[in-house]
Amino acid sequence: EAQVTQNPRYLITVTGKKLTVTCSQNMNHEYMSWYRQDPGLGLRQIYYSMNVEVTDKGDVPEGYKVSRKEKRNFPLILESPSPNQTSLYFCASSPLNDRVNSPLHFGNGTRLTVT
Amino acid sequence: QKEVEQNSGPLSVPEGAIASLNCTYSDRGSQSFFWYRQYSGKSPELIMSIYSNGDKEDGRFTAQLNQASQYVSLLIRDSQPSDSATYLCAPCPPRAAGNKLTFGGGTRVLVKP
Repeated sequence: EAQVTQNPRYLITVTGKKLTVTCSQNMNHEYMSWYRQDPGLGLRQIYYSMNVEVTDKGDVPEGYKVSRKEKRNFPLILESPSPNQTSLYFCASSPLNDRVNSPLHFGNGTRLTVT
Repeated sequence: QKEVEQNSGPLSVPEGAIASLNCTYSDRGSQSFFWYRQYSGKSPELIMSIYSNGDKEDGRFTAQLNQASQYVSLLIRDSQPSDSATYLCAPCPPRAAGNKLTFGGGTRVLVKP
């Protein structure tokens, strides 16, 4: 089954304790992206990647890191989490088509709480 | 001005009626438009894509695009309680800007039996 898999689904952690949220897709998509969703603020892009070893900042990159060593994986790293990073996180992927933009396929989400 | 504007709702419609959702966007270069449905606590799922001016129909859903007015809408015919969700509009810039989707805040729809 074609899918984007995020882990974990739920995570409670404390301020300053490094964590990684994994994201993997089995559709051979070039493009991958991380979003966070907060009440009243909607979905905001954190980082994106257009291919292996190619990553760039989105709209809210502060406090986050990513890497793209393999095409299928795009982990999100919080080196020193803070309470303002408490949010619902989504990983998404799509092919990069020469002609038109392709819609994003989303993972099931990771609900992160930082205390 | 926000890049993508949607009425947050809730839009309350009786079962069987038509729900009409609107979205305006600021980037005149946007060439692709997507409507996503999101149930509370779940991930967005694609329900419609539209790439050119005019109407596109898919089952009970119709998307309408007017690029001159920078306006895209979604009609849900014969609304069902299972259509109760938040609907997100997402214009996409030209390919040169990658595949970044900028989402509106969403319109919450409530279909009452």
